[in-house]
Amino acid sequence: DADVTQTPRNRITKTGKRIMLECSQTKGHDRMYWYRQDPGLGLRLIYYSFDVKDINKGEISDGYSVSRQAQAKFSLSLESAIPNQTALYFCATSDFKASGGDTQYFGPGTRLTVL
Amino acid sequence: GIQVEQSPPDLILQEGANSTLRCNFSDSVNNLQWFHQNPWGQLINLFYIPSGTKQNGRLSATTVATERYSLLYISSSQTTDSGVYFCAVEGGSYIPTFGRGTSLIVHP
Repeated sequence: DADVTQTPRNRITKTGKRIMLECSQTKGHDRMYWYRQDPGLGLRLIYYSFDVKDINKGEISDGYSVSRQAQAKFSLSLESAIPNQTALYFCATSDFKASGGDTQYFGPGTRLTVL
Repeated sequence: GIQVEQSPPDLILQEGANSTLRCNFSDSVNNLQWFHQNPWGQLINLFYIPSGTKQNGRLSATTVATERYSLLYISSSQTTDSGVYFCAVEGGSYIPTFGRGTSLIVHP
């Protein structure tokens, strides 16, 4: 089984709809992240959570919200989807250690299309 | 925040050729990773390398933290090396920042 899973893998929706993307991990990591990828722009950070009670906005949080339901679950919501939110969305976890090291591990991605 | 620049943006090789990908960053970093995104979109860890040199088969990476750059070497390239290579860094806040990637095409 995959260590970081995302559901759904593909979603087509209409402008104005509310959408939730879900991420689950079995790696036992405290840190989780949501990114979006657009062609030619790399990955940009939307939100990150260093533990269940710590949630922070990333570079491009406008139009998005998140919920950290448990250590293993981190959901991303688009309250009212718009076409320029069409992108590939990735969830990631990392194994931060105070002694050094913070390796990220990615889920398979969710391809979202907003019509 | 930290700026990350990758070069070249695009690279086309014949199978068997060697290549060097570069990642420059604007400030001191605590962490640096290289990833490969395959043509199916999957992001795969290649190296965790905030400093020093590591090798894994035909791939190796070197980070010179004092000069704020990292290099990824691909030797004897194969068609399966095609995809996009990303560098990601973390500064003092441990918030990750990605470069825009190098797109590699390896022709048979």
